Amino acid sequence: DAKTTQPNSMESNEEEPVHLPCNHSTISGTDYIHWYRQLPSQGPEYVIHGLTSNVNNRMASLAIAEDRKSSTLILHRATLRDAAVYYCILRAPGGYKLSFGAGTTVTVRA
Amino acid sequence: GAVVSQHPSRVICKSGTSVKIECRSLDFQATTMFWYRQFPKQSLMLMATSNEGSKATYEQGVEKDKFLINHASLTLSTLTVTSAHPEDSSFYICSAQGGQRGFGTDTQYFGPGTRLTVL
Repeated sequence: DAKTTQPNSMESNEEEPVHLPCNHSTISGTDYIHWYRQLPSQGPEYVIHGLTSNVNNRMASLAIAEDRKSSTLILHRATLRDAAVYYCILRAPGGYKLSFGAGTTVTVRA
Repeated sequence: GAVVSQHPSRVICKSGTSVKIECRSLDFQATTMFWYRQFPKQSLMLMATSNEGSKATYEQGVEKDKFLINHASLTLSTLTVTSAHPEDSSFYICSAQGGQRGFGTDTQYFGPGTRLTVL
């Protein structure tokens, strides 16, 4: 599986946007970009996924670079409940495994 | 959204005993279920993948005779840790995936996890 690189940690203030970068320079043309997050002592939670176009849902937005070698997860207004580890994962079509890296630990300050 | 439950949420057992953890998809049929393990301050590690009615596929380094997985129905998978030892203490998490197999867009829905402590 192609590898992703994320910063270890990021801090944000409550009600401010958070931009979480993910580099995936070896992504193949058909890999989907998935984002999951894990709140403390809980199982991961699906956030969003995309292939080429930017995607929006009620939780977040996903901005994908034109060359697809990087992407950014955007939390528009961080709340204390958004404090979690965020994982950027590539997933090939026909593949069903999720390989979790270290992720980015997001801290939200009140 | 899809809900996956796990039972028990927490278990403490003595060394040498076996522990069974249940994973259920509550509102969808799970063609594939996954079992992960997470040690403190570490990321999730996939242990095995199971498809309903088939034998589980274990990741390299995971002992299949120690971690018995049964996926008897489209809504239930169980993980049995046999002859548990303190080094098996960990956070065990299952996930379930429905829909059509083989498509990259299939979403995995995770259970809340089971904290196993072996004394």
